[in-house]
Amino acid sequence: AQKVTQAQTEISVVEKEDVTLDCVYETRDTTYYLFWYKQPPSGELVFLIRRNSFDEQNEISGRYSWNFQKSTSSFNFTITASQVVDSAVYFCALSEGGSQGNLIFGKGTKLSVKP
Amino acid sequence: ETGVTQTPRHLVMGMTNKKSLKCEQHLGHNAMYWYKQSAKKPLELMFVYSLEERVENNSVPSRFSPECPNSSHLFLHLHTLQPEDSALYLCASSQDRAGGFTGELFFGEGSRLTVL
Repeated sequence: AQKVTQAQTEISVVEKEDVTLDCVYETRDTTYYLFWYKQPPSGELVFLIRRNSFDEQNEISGRYSWNFQKSTSSFNFTITASQVVDSAVYFCALSEGGSQGNLIFGKGTKLSVKP
Repeated sequence: ETGVTQTPRHLVMGMTNKKSLKCEQHLGHNAMYWYKQSAKKPLELMFVYSLEERVENNSVPSRFSPECPNSSHLFLHLHTLQPEDSALYLCASSQDRAGGFTGELFFGEGSRLTVL
């Protein structure tokens, strides 16, 4: 069975701190995709990144970086020098190869960045 | 307009009412989705339409009835709902598998439904 676990329900940091959001997944497929989405207070989920199961290279995009480790089934997300605008709920999701839009989401981590 | 737009943004209805949620996408995608976001549960996929045909229905109760008249519009018809159906209903779109589905979904801002 597929499952995504985000153990951190809420995190609160002060601006300019670094913060890491954890994501652990379970799947029996060898081909799968992992995602991070951001949900600001306005409600819409915004796509941040997709990784496929064959690409374990870490990725950096500005202040965002992702650490994918198949050995521990983790796909963690780090925000460097956090800003107030980063405050949102962040969701990790899993999609198995061949599925059409059936993303299995974690319960989300609510990040509050205080000035 | 761009992206995915949902109307109404907020809806309050009684258990005997019939109402509909509307979603429109302006991205040229050919797959559309309804997701449900409840307070204490992860996001759940309800329906998937690809090229206007329903390809997945995750055992959703029949009081929710989707309709996809074309690749740009998606409706969710609601009747005789229960208070536990109160949630944020999110519409999303993407390219379908044949069109190069990457897993990236584009979401609307959601319709916040309250059932009294």
